[in-house]
Amino acid sequence: GIQVEQSPPDLILQEGANSTLRCNFSDSVNNLQWFHQNPWGQLINLFYIPSGTKQNGRLSATTVATERYSLLYISSSQTTDSGVYFCAVGAWGGNQFYFGTGTSLTVIP
Amino acid sequence: DSGVTQTPKHLITATGQRVTLRCSPRSGDLSVYWYQQSLDQGLQFLIQYYNGEERAKGNILERFSAQQFPDLHSELNLSSLELGDSALYFCASSPGGGRGTDTQYFGPGTRLTVL
Repeated sequence: GIQVEQSPPDLILQEGANSTLRCNFSDSVNNLQWFHQNPWGQLINLFYIPSGTKQNGRLSATTVATERYSLLYISSSQTTDSGVYFCAVGAWGGNQFYFGTGTSLTVIP
Repeated sequence: DSGVTQTPKHLITATGQRVTLRCSPRSGDLSVYWYQQSLDQGLQFLIQYYNGEERAKGNILERFSAQQFPDLHSELNLSSLELGDSALYFCASSPGGGRGTDTQYFGPGTRLTVL
């Protein structure tokens, strides 16, 4: 299966700071999603982004499929951004979804 | 709210027992996926159903089985439970056959504790 690595594993930010989370994957993908798992365990879709760039409010994401990585940018972080951010990918011709190990973000006031 | 519902929210049972987890997909979605999230294994894909038929299988144990019914809801059956089966079980749904290109929407999960 596809290996998905996320970095950094842990991140502590002051409220208002910006951050970049990275997702590297080991093979070509035709599906890539970013999720936020909140402290209550809910997995929330952030972006469906197998390639290109998207923005949604303070969040944006870029996937460079040819170089096998994706970046999630969080600007002006808020305490409600705390939680674990997962990258998940799907391979060409397959249905299985592979998750990274996540980046645990803590935003302190 | 993703539109995917899962019941029960919490389940506590003993080793050796059998449980059934239920998932209702978003309206109109044909695919249902099951995932297990445990502390040591992370988030792992178990199985996918599309319109009642098994479409893909991941790291699902033989003690586990699933099915999707004509009304598209799905059940995950876990039997001969072991302590290591304690985990958060997620269901997700997507509109199509999930040939790698669908956006998956996750339910709130069922937290299973095996004592």
